[in-house]
Amino acid sequence: KNEVEQSPQNLTAQEGEFITINCSYSVGISALHWLQQHPGGGIVSLFMLSSGKKKHGRLIATINIQEKHSSLHITASHPRDSAVYICAVSKVIQGAQKLVFGQGTRLTINP
Amino acid sequence: NAGVTQTPKFRVLKTGQSMTLLCAQDMNHEYMYWYRQDPGMGLRLIHYSVGEGTTAKGEVPDGYNVSRLKKQNFLLGLESAAPSQTSVYFCASRGRGYYNEQFFGPGTRLTVL
Repeated sequence: KNEVEQSPQNLTAQEGEFITINCSYSVGISALHWLQQHPGGGIVSLFMLSSGKKKHGRLIATINIQEKHSSLHITASHPRDSAVYICAVSKVIQGAQKLVFGQGTRLTINP
Repeated sequence: NAGVTQTPKFRVLKTGQSMTLLCAQDMNHEYMYWYRQDPGMGLRLIHYSVGEGTTAKGEVPDGYNVSRLKKQNFLLGLESAAPSQTSVYFCASRGRGYYNEQFFGPGTRLTVL
C-alpha cells in the first residue's frame, strides 16, 4: 500500500462544477503539499500546509492531521484547471527532508 | 530570477550511450533533488543533495550518478543508458527548514532506444 493515496485517479466534470480531490497518508509528516502539472508541463506548487486551511483564488486546501487526510477543492471550475493534481507529504528519512508523492489525480474540465 | 532550470529539455539516446543532465537554481537553496516520473508510478526520488559537495541516494538510484560541486548546480549522469531509463526527469530545490516548499524545474524528456 502506498504511503500517500489519492482519490479519484481520474475526474471529469463540467465547467462551473465544484471539484474535490482527496489525499490520505499513513505516515507522520511535517507538511503536506498540493502540486499541479499541466499536460506536457512542469510541476507547480499550489499549497503547502501543516494544519487548517489555505485559500488561493478559487483553490482551497484543507488538512486534518488527526485523520491524516487532506482535500483540494476547486470552486467554479474552468477548462484551464484541467491538469494532474499531485499530493505529496514531507517527511524526514535518514535525517533529510524528502517528499513522498501520491499517484496524482487527472482532472478534465469540459466547457 | 530564473528559478530552477534544466538542460536539455529533450534528448534521445541509444542504449549504452552516456549523458549528463544539468540542473541550476538561482535561489541559493541548500537542498536539491532529482526525480523521475513514469506513467502510473508517480514521482520517484533518484538522488538528492543537502548542500554543496554532498549527495545521497534516493529511492531509485541504480544506473545514475550525481555531483554537486557548486551550490547552484546539481548534475545527474547516466553512464550507460538503458531503455528502462526512458522517463521524464525533474529537478527540484528548496531552502533549509521543514516548512519550505520545493521548486521544480521544467523537466527533461529522455528517450533511450
